[in-house]
Amino acid sequence: QQQVKQSPQSLIVQKGGISIINCAYENTAFDYFPWYQQFPGKGPALLIAIRPDVSEKKEGRFTISFNKSAKQFSLHIMDSQPGDSATYFCAARLGSGYALNFGKGTSLLVTP
Amino acid sequence: DAEITQSPRHKITETGRQVTLACHQTWNHNNMFWYRQDLGHGLRLIHYSYGVQDTNKGEVSDGYSVSRSNTEDLPLTLESAASSQTSVYFCASSGSGTHEQYFGPGTRLTVT
Repeated sequence: QQQVKQSPQSLIVQKGGISIINCAYENTAFDYFPWYQQFPGKGPALLIAIRPDVSEKKEGRFTISFNKSAKQFSLHIMDSQPGDSATYFCAARLGSGYALNFGKGTSLLVTP
Repeated sequence: DAEITQSPRHKITETGRQVTLACHQTWNHNNMFWYRQDLGHGLRLIHYSYGVQDTNKGEVSDGYSVSRSNTEDLPLTLESAASSQTSVYFCASSGSGTHEQYFGPGTRLTVT
């Protein structure tokens, strides 16, 4: 059973636009919510992550918004660039060292 | 530089054969994980280990086994390969008490 639900499955955004990917979870024991970026033929790489005691985290053009009461979190990519075209996965984890529960992924295409 | 490697990168095998995928990390991480990635399913956990001699089943462990004889390696064995095991396999590792999981480059396995 999918513990983290991710949407949309695919997304097309024009260069300079905002890309938004959403995730929802059920288990309130999750304590860490990372986003991974994956380019074709490569392994996923950590992009940005948040703990549930924070409502927002920003790193450059990437922002995570976290809504604990709604059990939802989202990734915002500002000023999207063609180089951001990749698959993005949200995930959630029960505790330090535990495996990650991944969403099904969002394929992002940023058009020039 | 510390890293995580997987071999082979590509493998074609026949139904019923035993196959072993290698994973080696040089970070001295205690925690190691195997995931499989399939379209429409994201990344799903197969097996994981929190240290030498420790192994645990994940969400999709049937038909797979692992053993951990040292800190650096966690080989994944398919006892009798099936076509349903055609997938891309990723190994990951993380340190005790840390958040980030580092992923290897993946092994694309085709079972004919």
